[in-house]
Amino acid sequence: SQTIHQWPATLVQPVGSPLSLECTVEGTSNPNLYWYRQAAGRGLQLLFYSVGIGQISSEVPQNLSASRPQDRQFILSSKKLLLSDSGFYLCAWSVPGVSYNEQFFGPGTRLTVL
Amino acid sequence: AQTVTQSQPEMSVQEAETVTLSCTYDTSESDYYLFWYKQPPSRQMILVIRQEAYKQQNATENRFSVNFQKAAKSFSLKISDSQLGDAAMYFCAYRAPGTASKLTFGTGTRLQVTL
Repeated sequence: SQTIHQWPATLVQPVGSPLSLECTVEGTSNPNLYWYRQAAGRGLQLLFYSVGIGQISSEVPQNLSASRPQDRQFILSSKKLLLSDSGFYLCAWSVPGVSYNEQFFGPGTRLTVL
Repeated sequence: AQTVTQSQPEMSVQEAETVTLSCTYDTSESDYYLFWYKQPPSRQMILVIRQEAYKQQNATENRFSVNFQKAAKSFSLKISDSQLGDAAMYFCAYRAPGTASKLTFGTGTRLQVTL
């Protein structure tokens, strides 16, 4: 069966520090991968998605970047965190080519920037 | 651009009763997909139910069912025989056709279940 992992689960970082959040998927090949951010009490905002290794699409201009160095690994990064980067970050995956392509979510990372 | 609107920030239902959560969306596509996700306090997003636009029959998953009105662009979720474990945030989501499978989410409805 497929599983998705995210780490760390919780992170507290000072403003101006770098960031690296990791997401890995097991049990599937060539998934579509997604990074979402959820601000407190809000819905999910799609930040990045990837349909293959090295292929990254950005949905909103921001202080963050994403990379996909391996088929089932998706990394969210920042060189210098801002206060506004605080939030709950969710990684998700889907299987391309099937009818519904529903997304399956990881457990998330709670990021607090102080 | 597609938008998804959930006009009920909070809803409350008594245990064993039925509740309906509303969702409307805007799209110019004729074929697309709609989803309801549940986010309990653990914050793990869980798929509840899904509907493909070209299917007229409303989807049902155990106690969860939808009322899909394509012309009205409405996709409401009905929870029957509500249980304490149903308490969560519920998000409606839209997916346009295409390989990237990007989802557009509503702002969510917080459901409380009371005894």
